[in-house]
Amino acid sequence: EAQVTQNPRYLITVTGKKLTVTCSQNMNHEYMSWYRQDPGLGLRQIYYSMNVEVTDKGDVPEGYKVSRKEKRNFPLILESPSPNQTSLYFCASGRVTYEQYFGPGTRLTVT
Amino acid sequence: DQQVKQNSPSLSVQEGRISILNCDYTNSMFDYFLWYKKYPAEGPTFLISISSIKDKNEDGRFTVFLNKSAKHLSLHIVPSQPGDSAVYFCAVAGYSTLTFGKGTMLLVSP
Repeated sequence: EAQVTQNPRYLITVTGKKLTVTCSQNMNHEYMSWYRQDPGLGLRQIYYSMNVEVTDKGDVPEGYKVSRKEKRNFPLILESPSPNQTSLYFCASGRVTYEQYFGPGTRLTVT
Repeated sequence: DQQVKQNSPSLSVQEGRISILNCDYTNSMFDYFLWYKKYPAEGPTFLISISSIKDKNEDGRFTVFLNKSAKHLSLHIVPSQPGDSAVYFCAVAGYSTLTFGKGTMLLVSP
């Protein structure tokens, strides 16, 4: 089954404790991206990757890192999480930007 | 500055009637315009798109209209069904990024 998977689905952590949210796709897509969804703000892009070893900042990259060592994986790293990073995170992949498939989401709470 | 604006946070319609969701954008350089639907506790799912060279695209009950001169995009759902109740996001695609509006919550009542 073609899909984008994210882990964990739910995470509660404390300020400053490094965490990684994994994202994997099995559709051989070159394009992958991370978004966060916040009430009243919609979906905002954090980082994207056009291909392996090619990543770039989206609209809200502060406090996040990503890596793209393999085509199928695109982890999101929060090296020192803060409460303002409490959000719902979505990973997406696609052949092109206008054809993206989203994962189920990761709800992160930073206390 | 918002590149994509959905000015109606919510919309309520009755089953069987037409739902019209609207979206305005600021940049004329976008190549594709899309609508995504999102149910609670799920990721957004692609609904319908339109290329910048067209002004209408239809897929079953869903039709997207693009008015480039007005920089306006709309989604028509006819007839609306209770299962259409969800948050609808308008999005614009450039070469490397997808920019979303804030969403409109559609509620279709029986």
